[in-house]
Amino acid sequence: GAGVSQSPSNKVTEKGKDVELRCDPISGHTALYWYRQRLGQGLEFLIYFQGNSAPDKSGLPSDRFSAERTGESVSTLTIQRTQQEDSAVYLCASSTAGNYGYTFGSGTRLTVV
Amino acid sequence: EDKVVQSPLSLVVHEGDTVTLNCSYEVTNFRSLLWYKQEKKAPTFLFMLTSSGIEKKSGRLSSILDKKELFSILNITATQTGDSAIYLCAVRPNSGYALNFGKGTSLLVTP
Repeated sequence: GAGVSQSPSNKVTEKGKDVELRCDPISGHTALYWYRQRLGQGLEFLIYFQGNSAPDKSGLPSDRFSAERTGESVSTLTIQRTQQEDSAVYLCASSTAGNYGYTFGSGTRLTVV
Repeated sequence: EDKVVQSPLSLVVHEGDTVTLNCSYEVTNFRSLLWYKQEKKAPTFLFMLTSSGIEKKSGRLSSILDKKELFSILNITATQTGDSAIYLCAVRPNSGYALNFGKGTSLLVTP
């Protein structure tokens, strides 16, 4: 597609429920990143995918967070048993390999009530 | 622990003013520094800096890096209301793929 597409754009969920966030990267971009941005804070790295290599999961804050990507296409970020501190904007970005001027999606604003 | 500190946290100026945004960092094995503009939710890439003293310029925006003093500045001349946004600074270390972001500077340009 023309840009990085994320869905849903907004999600309100009850504490304890599972949520799944989707990212559709730019076609041909082999690298895909997930970041989290809490209110008034900078972006926190969560996970990185590069082609068919093993993902770098070093930023995932707990085992309630997981992400998958099939080949060089869509990625899903799953948060199990959501907590209020999970409320944030979740941003996905993609790039060609090694290019750090990557393109961000518009994010999913997650609110846990 | 790696740190990226931006200042000021927020700034209000009048159209036509010139602003300077600051980013200082403490990062092990520095590789590059990047600036992004964030309006609403999606940050957009502005500059990537890897060498000291070489100014990058795009229209009214410019940026420079000082690797000795560990900081970068982003200048915006003749500001316009459309420049209102959060400006994010990020540093990439040599190892790994994650960018370390500062908290951003929120800029408001008033008519």
